[in-house]
Amino acid sequence: DQQVKQNSPSLSVQEGRISILNCDYTNSMFDYFLWYKKYPAEGPTFLISISSIKDKNEDGRFTVFLNKSAKHLSLHIVPSQPGDSAVYFCAASPRNSNSGYALNFGKGTSLLVTP
Amino acid sequence: EPEVTQTPSHQVTQMGQEVILRCVPISNHLYFYWYRQILGQKVEFLVSFYNNEISEKSEIFDDQFSVERPDGSNFTLKIRSTKLEDSAMYFCASSELGDSPLHFGNGTRLTVT
Repeated sequence: DQQVKQNSPSLSVQEGRISILNCDYTNSMFDYFLWYKKYPAEGPTFLISISSIKDKNEDGRFTVFLNKSAKHLSLHIVPSQPGDSAVYFCAASPRNSNSGYALNFGKGTSLLVTP
Repeated sequence: EPEVTQTPSHQVTQMGQEVILRCVPISNHLYFYWYRQILGQKVEFLVSFYNNEISEKSEIFDDQFSVERPDGSNFTLKIRSTKLEDSAMYFCASSELGDSPLHFGNGTRLTVT
């Protein structure tokens, strides 16, 4: 039961260009969305989040866009750097501040930024 | 920057044995979690813990699993009688509040033989 889908297993981008990672979800109860980056042998590292009341959130080189009607979000990295090469996970959850987050993760997209 | 620490990094055990995976969450965080990732699959939620009790658990978290906060700093996951299919990377996470982003540890790779 894949409620969060990342349909591109891998993406290769040249240094300095924009990386666009996509994520689709099926559960209309999801209203909090997060992107994590993961290097081998490490745990997921939080990058950026967005709640359903917004359609865009920006933090430095990272911007997340949310299209609720399409149940789609994307992560833009501009400009891309070789150190951004990692696996990127999209995660989603109903917002429940009482119990914390039971995040639903996508399978990840492996980003390679080439010099 | 404060981080979530997990020990051991790799645990090998025989089927049917009990294992305890240990985590030290970030000190001012109030919510604690366990997730796991079976090789080649997605990261899956197991359990969340707040105020010394389980606040939510998934269907994976059956009677073979338990969590405990034995003191002010540690958070443990116990698997009572391990099965081959329990082999996975287990991630501990914590968050400051219930609606704050989760911060993950580097994981414990559990191998059940």
